[in-house]
Amino acid sequence: DAGITQSPRHKVTETGTPVTLRCHQTENHRYMYWYRQDPGHGLRLIHYSYGVKDTDKGEVSDGYSVSRSKTEDFLLTLESATSSQTSVYFCAIAGGLNTEAFFGQGTRLTVV
Amino acid sequence: AQKITQTQPGMFVQEKEAVTLDCTYDTSDQSYGLFWYKQPSSGEMIFLIYQGSYDEQNATEGRYSLNFQKARKSANLVISASQLGDSAMYFCAMKVADSWGKFQFGAGTQVVVTP
Repeated sequence: DAGITQSPRHKVTETGTPVTLRCHQTENHRYMYWYRQDPGHGLRLIHYSYGVKDTDKGEVSDGYSVSRSKTEDFLLTLESATSSQTSVYFCAIAGGLNTEAFFGQGTRLTVV
Repeated sequence: AQKITQTQPGMFVQEKEAVTLDCTYDTSDQSYGLFWYKQPSSGEMIFLIYQGSYDEQNATEGRYSLNFQKARKSANLVISASQLGDSAMYFCAMKVADSWGKFQFGAGTQVVVTP
């Protein structure tokens, strides 16, 4: 299995608080991704990274920021959590443009 | 902008039958890759098959094959001889070479295999 770990796996937080999710990889892959999964919407791309300090927005980036200060870690921050950000968040890694992405186990985030 | 469309939200298939899952995509780039993933009820994402835009032959992996029609911009997944364990959500995805690795998914198709 690809070495990719998401933490925490579950989190309940209050509206208005900042939340940071961590994705850690041991594969030295260049590309890292954050998705959210909601019923009826599939996986929607939030942000992605194509190298250290190189990130770009996906289709649902409002309210989220990311940072990648080293190859192995990709952090997703919800600056001020809202109930609409209750979701399952997946991190993924990929070594190249024509190679598959490997996914973490997901983080279930509930904003109350 | 690139887009992936899966028009079948759900389908039932009988065990041992073949099933085709539709996927169409939209991109103006010439170099791209198409992927299919399976997500069982346990939630993990499992890679199934890959097709590159310059590949002349359709990709196959065991019981999975990808029916790639470039001119129609479609990349349908065919599962032959369905098994009960094939019941899952299936996602089509695309990565475009000129987009710095941007990797986008369709909305998915829920497949239920019945005995």
